[in-house]
Amino acid sequence: GAVVSQHPSWVICKSGTSVKIECRSLDFQATTMFWYRQFPKQSLMLMATSNEGSKATYEQGVEKDKFLINHASLTLSTLTVTSAHPEDSSFYICSATQGTGANYGYTFGSGTRLTVV
Amino acid sequence: AQTVTQSQPEMSVQEAETVTLSCTYDTSESDYYLFWYKQPPSRQMILVIRQEAYKQQNATENRFSVNFQKAAKSFSLKISDSQLGDAAMYFCAYRSANTGNQFYFGTGTSLTVIP
Repeated sequence: GAVVSQHPSWVICKSGTSVKIECRSLDFQATTMFWYRQFPKQSLMLMATSNEGSKATYEQGVEKDKFLINHASLTLSTLTVTSAHPEDSSFYICSATQGTGANYGYTFGSGTRLTVV
Repeated sequence: AQTVTQSQPEMSVQEAETVTLSCTYDTSESDYYLFWYKQPPSRQMILVIRQEAYKQQNATENRFSVNFQKAAKSFSLKISDSQLGDAAMYFCAYRSANTGNQFYFGTGTSLTVIP
């Protein structure tokens, strides 16, 4: 089945530094990838949608200059949290799909726990 | 935007018994998909079951089945013969068949299985 690898699984960084999270589709070409944020005991909130070769579409309230998303290839999307602060500490999950039509499934990565100290 | 509501923050069930998790949603669309995802302590999102809105027949996957009531916009999940491994957070999700294609998730139900 479709597999999405997300790396790192956890990261601790100092306030003010930047952190990059990678999301890779291992056995399929992901034309579209989604990035979610999940606070403890809460639901997944969509941050942005990225299509390969295009600029990401951000949800309302998500700072695009803070959460940089790059989807340069059909198998890799990256989320960079720039100048991270403690309030950015959260669980980040990516999801990837070959297409957005009816017959395409969506596969989730295993998530990245970010702690900013 | 579509909204998905899970009114049960926590549920518990005895091992081998049956439990039903509730989900309602709000949409003006006629063509969409509904999902139940399981998130165990590992935080990996695992697809449990999927229902196409145009299908009247309720989806089933082994011990998991749904009760899809389109008119009532209700989509409950029934877990039969509950096992310890079923303990997890369960999220109901909606996805349009047309625009956006993003998921809208409910707030989740934490399921505890009692041995």
